[in-house]
Amino acid sequence: DQQVKQNSPSLSVQEGRISILNCDYTNSMFDYFLWYKKYPAEGPTFLISISSIKDKNEDGRFTVFLNKSAKHLSLHIVPSQPGDSAVYFCAAIDNSGNTPLVFGKGTRLSVIA
Amino acid sequence: GAGVSQTPSNKVTEKGKYVELRCDPISGHTALYWYRQSLGQGPEFLIYFQGTGAADDSGLPNDRFFAVRPEGSVSTLKIQRTERGDSAVYLCASSPFRDRGYNEQFFGPGTRLTVL
Repeated sequence: DQQVKQNSPSLSVQEGRISILNCDYTNSMFDYFLWYKKYPAEGPTFLISISSIKDKNEDGRFTVFLNKSAKHLSLHIVPSQPGDSAVYFCAAIDNSGNTPLVFGKGTRLSVIA
Repeated sequence: GAGVSQTPSNKVTEKGKYVELRCDPISGHTALYWYRQSLGQGPEFLIYFQGTGAADDSGLPNDRFFAVRPEGSVSTLKIQRTERGDSAVYLCASSPFRDRGYNEQFFGPGTRLTVL
C-alpha cells in the first residue's frame, strides 16, 4: 500500500511558466517531507524539504507547500527552465533522524523551450 | 569531495546466479542505506546500517538478499539465486549521524541489475 502517492506520472510545462508537482501521503506519523530530483543514470539528489511544523519553505525558484490537514504537499518551480526536466520524487520520513525515506513513484517533468 | 560511489554501474546475470553489489559511502558517514528502484516505481527501502550493524533490515524482500558492512564503511549487497523479478536499479545512500533532526541522505548513481 503506497504511503506516499504522486498521481501524475508526467507533466509538461512551457519554459518560464510555473510547474506544480503534487504529492499526497497517508501516514500521519510522517513529520518531514522532501523532494528529490533525478536525472537518467544518476542517483536522486536532494532539492528541498519541509518540516511538519511549517506550511511553506522557499529556496530560490523552488517552493514547497504543506497542507497537513489534507495530507498534501506540492512543489512549485517558477520560472521553469529546460534544465529542470527530470523525474521528481516526493519522500517522507517519520520521527526525523536516521530512518529510511518513503518515496512516491515520481513525476517526470518536461520543460519545453 | 567524493560522493557515494557504486560498482558495477551495470550488471547482467542469468537467473539462478549469485551477485554482489558494492557501495562506497561518503567518508565519515556512519549511516548507510540500500534502496531498490524497479521500473516505474520510486526507490523502496531495503536495509539500513548504523556503523557495522544492520539497524533495520525490514525492507529485504526475502532471505535471498543479504547485506554486510564489516568495517563500517563499504557495504556489499548480496543476492543469491537471482530471479528475473530482482531486475532493478539498486541505490545506495549515506548520511552523517546526528542524534536529532533529519540527516540528509546522499545517493550514489545506482547499479542497474538485469537478470535474464
